[in-house]
Amino acid sequence: QKEVEQDPGPLSVPEGAIVSLNCTYSNSAFQYFMWYRQYSRKGPELLMYTYSSGNKEDGRFTAQVDKSSKYISLFIRDSQPSDSATYLCAMIITGGGNKLTFGTGTQLKVEL
Amino acid sequence: KAGVTQTPRYLIKTRGQQVTLSCSPISGHRSVSWYQQTPGQGLQFLFEYFSETQRNKGNFPGRFSGRQFSNSRSEMNVSTLELGDSALYLCASSFDQEETQYFGPGTRLLVL
Repeated sequence: QKEVEQDPGPLSVPEGAIVSLNCTYSNSAFQYFMWYRQYSRKGPELLMYTYSSGNKEDGRFTAQVDKSSKYISLFIRDSQPSDSATYLCAMIITGGGNKLTFGTGTQLKVEL
Repeated sequence: KAGVTQTPRYLIKTRGQQVTLSCSPISGHRSVSWYQQTPGQGLQFLFEYFSETQRNKGNFPGRFSGRQFSNSRSEMNVSTLELGDSALYLCASSFDQEETQYFGPGTRLLVL
């Protein structure tokens, strides 16, 4: 069993839809959580960084962390075709240096 | 501020050869981490360097090695290349541990 599970998709939604992307994890030592967006043939781009349970909002993006359930989510409001990419969740163990453990990534396509 | 840069962007090698990849972190960042990305395994942590010292290491064979210079630039080396080493190699930099990591565009390595 992988430490971080993420549905690979693909997920296809119409423009303007609310998108929900999710990851579950098994190791309660994970304390820092990130969401990255990766376009084809590019490096991952950081979208959100959180370290506490609850919600964090940045523009059209909201990251949600539930440490008791070991579950994190990323919501994208008013999705646009430019949001079509692979979304990766990643997490770090406190005291574990900078080793990011990634989910497999969810491929998202926003259609006109 | 310039982002993380990686050279070369593309590389073709044959089995048994060795390869050296280079990464220049964001100015002021002291931590450099390396990741391997493949369709089958996703993004996997190789190692992290901080102040010229390896601070963390993933589960890769000894053929994979790295180093960091006094200006924080880093190189990774893969010796005796195997077909399975074909991947996108990503470098990420951050100011310190558990801080936000920013990725470069990656070096795409093809082993024939």
